[in-house]
Amino acid sequence: QVQLEESGPRLVKPLQTLSLTCTVSGGSISRGDYYWSWIRQPPGKGLEWIGYIYNSGVTYYNASLKSRVTLSVDMSKNQFSLKLNSVTAADTAVYYCARGEWDGMDVWGQGTTVTVSS
Amino acid sequence: EIVLTQSPGTLSLSPGERATLSCRASQSVSSSYLVWYQQKPGQAPRLLSRATGIPDRFSVSGSGTDFTLTIDRLEPEDFAVYYCQLYGSSPPGLTFGGGTKVEI
Repeated sequence: QVQLEESGPRLVKPLQTLSLTCTVSGGSISRGDYYWSWIRQPPGKGLEWIGYIYNSGVTYYNASLKSRVTLSVDMSKNQFSLKLNSVTAADTAVYYCARGEWDGMDVWGQGTTVTVSS
Repeated sequence: EIVLTQSPGTLSLSPGERATLSCRASQSVSSSYLVWYQQKPGQAPRLLSRATGIPDRFSVSGSGTDFTLTIDRLEPEDFAVYYCQLYGSSPPGLTFGGGTKVEI
């Protein structure tokens, strides 16, 4: 059974880069036609898609974040990663990684809370 | 860019009642690409599909721009926030609705 787990710093200073990694266990990130996605949820608010990446390295980003986001995949470590630069307090959120196909994201990490503060 | 609008924002019901949640798209979309999630406090969203084991009291319907999630005979564990989400192919990407909270 595939499981995902987010890791990375919980506190990031304004204007610095937020970096998170999602480790995939119980299955290979290199198999199948899945996309590997990042979603975030500000406190008390709804879900916002950040972007997703295929194991080929092809990426798609939310237009509102595209200028600040980079996704990458490391198949040797069975991981994919998120970098969000020039963060502000508005980037404070729970960040989730998830596996998906056209019919939805069926496996999610438990989420990690990232706070942007000096 | 397609926008998904969910209504109502909050639905106040009692166990045993039926919940009807709406998700409206700003333009016609394929129902195959419109999915729903359930999120409980402090938890990650859960995809509502038969593959993920949702009970039969959950059903989805709709086409074009109007989609509905119906929950028959609400159980205590069904009180949560529900999101619709669209998988876009042109351009590729995902869009979430704003969510509907089903509360007691």
